[in-house]
Amino acid sequence: EAQVTQNPRYLITVTGKKLTVTCSQNMNHEYMSWYRQDPGLGLRQIYYSMNVEVTDKGDVPEGYKVSRKEKRNFPLILESPSPNQTSLYFCASHRTGGNSPLHFGNGTRLTVT
Amino acid sequence: AQTVTQSQPEMSVQEAETVTLSCTYDTSESDYYLFWYKQPPSRQMILVIRQEAYKQQNATENRFSVNFQKAAKSFSLKISDSQLGDAAMYFCAYRSPEKETSGSRLTFGEGTQLTVNP
Repeated sequence: EAQVTQNPRYLITVTGKKLTVTCSQNMNHEYMSWYRQDPGLGLRQIYYSMNVEVTDKGDVPEGYKVSRKEKRNFPLILESPSPNQTSLYFCASHRTGGNSPLHFGNGTRLTVT
Repeated sequence: AQTVTQSQPEMSVQEAETVTLSCTYDTSESDYYLFWYKQPPSRQMILVIRQEAYKQQNATENRFSVNFQKAAKSFSLKISDSQLGDAAMYFCAYRSPEKETSGSRLTFGEGTQLTVNP
């Protein structure tokens, strides 16, 4: 089954404790991206990647890191999480081609206390 | 940077009636792509419909259709014969054309929460 697998679904952590949210896709998509969803703000792009070893900042990259060492994986790293990073996070992938739709993971609800 | 605006934070519709959700965007590009996504309470993101800016004909997918007004930079979603399962948050999204060095960017609106009343 074609899918984007994102883990964990829920995560509660404390300020400053490094964490990683994993994302993997099995559709051989070139593009992968991370978004955070906050009430009244919609989804905002954190980082995106056009292909292996090619990543670029989105609209809200501060406090986040990503890497794309393999085509299928695109982990999101929070080196020192802060309470303002409490949010719902989505990973997504799509193939090259402007009208190709995004395939989303099921989301990660992160709470930083 | 492109912006996408959904001016209706909440909308409601009676079952079997028609509702229109509005979306406007700002861009200087002539070639781009527009999408509507639906997010039910399960929080899964589901593609509803998409439109290429170079196509004049409005996209249609069963009960869902769009009114694409390129000059006005407007992309509204019409849901006909509304069903209880249509209740969800709806997001409008704009994708820029792909560029060799920077790829394409996707920008979402704030969302419209649709309630369907039985």
